[in-house]
Amino acid sequence: KAGVTQTPRYLIKTRGQQVTLSCSPISGHRSVSWYQQTPGQGLQFLFEYFSETQRNKGNFPGRFSGRQFSNSRSEMNVSTLELGDSALYLCASSATGERRTGELFFGEGSRLTVL
Amino acid sequence: GENVEQHPSTLSVQEGDSAVIKCTYSDSASNYFPWYKQELGKRPQLIIDIRSNVGEKKDQRIAVTLNKTAKHFSLHITETQPEDSAVYFCAAKNDYKLSFGAGTTVTVRA
Repeated sequence: KAGVTQTPRYLIKTRGQQVTLSCSPISGHRSVSWYQQTPGQGLQFLFEYFSETQRNKGNFPGRFSGRQFSNSRSEMNVSTLELGDSALYLCASSATGERRTGELFFGEGSRLTVL
Repeated sequence: GENVEQHPSTLSVQEGDSAVIKCTYSDSASNYFPWYKQELGKRPQLIIDIRSNVGEKKDQRIAVTLNKTAKHFSLHITETQPEDSAVYFCAAKNDYKLSFGAGTTVTVRA
């Protein structure tokens, strides 16, 4: 079974630009969560999607947005990039319903550098 | 919302010794407490978890304890080995979301 796939793996942007990151969950997983990882800050929760609906949202500004498609693939977008947005963005999928265990399966992440 | 604090931020142990990482949480409604291990350059992976109806759980050299009254839980690694060197994250989940601690960088000295 293929794992969680994130694209692109690395990207460099300049301040003011926008970026879109993509995540393909494990087949059959309908819940997708996004986290921002920076040194010393751990994993900061961005949002969670389930069945194309945002179920939960973290404490990030409105510049951070996301969506989920009918095939459970998810994208997140960051507009008007700031230097502080430089981070590793991790996507995680999890099983729901009868197969739910609570475990998050992470992708390898998209490393964003803002210059 | 849930706030998870994790200590220490760094931990250096001699190979063969034990390592203990402690976390506290704020939301008494939290009922699921996983621990993730992230090796350098790799993705976080679940190593052990515990639910609020259990006080302790063991899996070979790792164990987790939970004190619901005090709202804290701990990870114990015995007989540490070089491959235990990694960043460890605790987390707490209520009905809404999974909140992570800031992480503990564990270094096992040979």
